[in-house]
Amino acid sequence: SQQGEEDPQALSIQEGENATMNCSYKTSINNLQWYRQNSGRGLVHLILIRSNEREKHSGRLRVTLDTSKKSSSLLITASRAADTASYFCATDGSGNTGKLIFGQGTTLQVKP
Amino acid sequence: DVKVTQSSRYLVKRTGEKVFLECVQDMDHENMFWYRQDPGLGLRLIYFSYDVKMKEKGDIPEGYSVSREKKERFSLILESASTNQTSMYLCASSFVSGRIHEQYFGPGTRLTVT
Repeated sequence: SQQGEEDPQALSIQEGENATMNCSYKTSINNLQWYRQNSGRGLVHLILIRSNEREKHSGRLRVTLDTSKKSSSLLITASRAADTASYFCATDGSGNTGKLIFGQGTTLQVKP
Repeated sequence: DVKVTQSSRYLVKRTGEKVFLECVQDMDHENMFWYRQDPGLGLRLIYFSYDVKMKEKGDIPEGYSVSREKKERFSLILESASTNQTSMYLCASSFVSGRIHEQYFGPGTRLTVT
């Protein structure tokens, strides 16, 4: 079952602009993660935010988490053509099984 | 660096064939996963293994089986391949540390069943 839903499904911006992607989920979580997937490749972990955190930064990435709304956003600042990829949020539910539930992803295109 | 490798990047098989997809990780992770990824459907969990010889069905286990005889290796088996199993297959592993389960992915195997 897909817990995470992402919005928008596709995003096209110019290099240098900021890109914002949103993720909503349904159940309680311990943490929420964001992954990136280049075309035809595996996913790469970007950043993790715990349920007791509201905001986290890593380089040009900024993640926010609102557990009351069961939503998260990923902001990529000063985008580059190399940021072109699909981005997925993943939640772990509130258990400790190790399983993640992935959203359907946002496809980002950054035009040079 | 964690490395997860998959036996093939591209694979073409005929309907009815038995297909083995192999995944190996080098970080002594307890958990290993097999997903399939299809356009518009995202990643769907096929099977999950949390220890050697231990497995758990995911969301779409029908038509698949798995084997984990050694901690580093997790195999996905399509007993009798069908055209609707044409997909991208992704393997992942994770180390259970408290409640953090960051997953490390292999490069994927694009399987075409004709």
